[in-house]
Amino acid sequence: GDSVTQMEGPVTLSEEAFLTINCTYTATGYPSLFWYVQYPGEGLQLLLKATKADDKGSNKGFEATYRKETTSFHLEKGSVQVSDSAVYFCALSVTTGGNQFYFGTGTSLTVIP
Amino acid sequence: DAGVIQSPRHEVTEMGQEVTLRCKPISGHNSLFWYRQTMMRGLELLIYFNNNVPIDDSGMPEDRFSAKMPNASFSTLKIQPSEPRDSAVYFCASSFPRLAGSQALDTQYFGPGTRLTVL
Repeated sequence: GDSVTQMEGPVTLSEEAFLTINCTYTATGYPSLFWYVQYPGEGLQLLLKATKADDKGSNKGFEATYRKETTSFHLEKGSVQVSDSAVYFCALSVTTGGNQFYFGTGTSLTVIP
Repeated sequence: DAGVIQSPRHEVTEMGQEVTLRCKPISGHNSLFWYRQTMMRGLELLIYFNNNVPIDDSGMPEDRFSAKMPNASFSTLKIQPSEPRDSAVYFCASSFPRLAGSQALDTQYFGPGTRLTVL
């Protein structure tokens, strides 16, 4: 069935380090792909999205490219900050079926000064 | 734009009591989702409405849970009777009609959540 698989956490990085959080998906049709971020005590909020193959979503220094050939949507940031500490969720929206929005399990990121 | 509004933000109740969680989606959104988040199970979709009609309730854990959407601007999630294992953060989310040129659902906008504790 349709699903997303994302990198297990937790991830701990030093400030200004490079971040990659892997996400791969399985889907029928032409899914849209999303990254959400959840800061402590808050709801999830959209970080970026891509709606077709080869699209690159970007926001706040984060980027992810929709790779159909590898069924991936890895999240990257060149230089993380302490304020990026949060849980990151990969998600996909598919075109068929009743349950049409799938979230990954989340990856916790802690950035230390 | 006020965003998705949920109430109450915190609820503490005793086992066996009825609990009602409320959600007001963003105006103009026609899809509404209820999620539950716990450390053990992560984020779980409970039920999904489209145009006020329940489309998929396969995630509702058991008959003690029920959800309604009487109109486009209001939804409730009810637990009766509540049990300690229902303790979690419950999120409501809403989304626009489908992405232009696509049948896929668009971005979901989450409320701040209701933290439920059942003693």
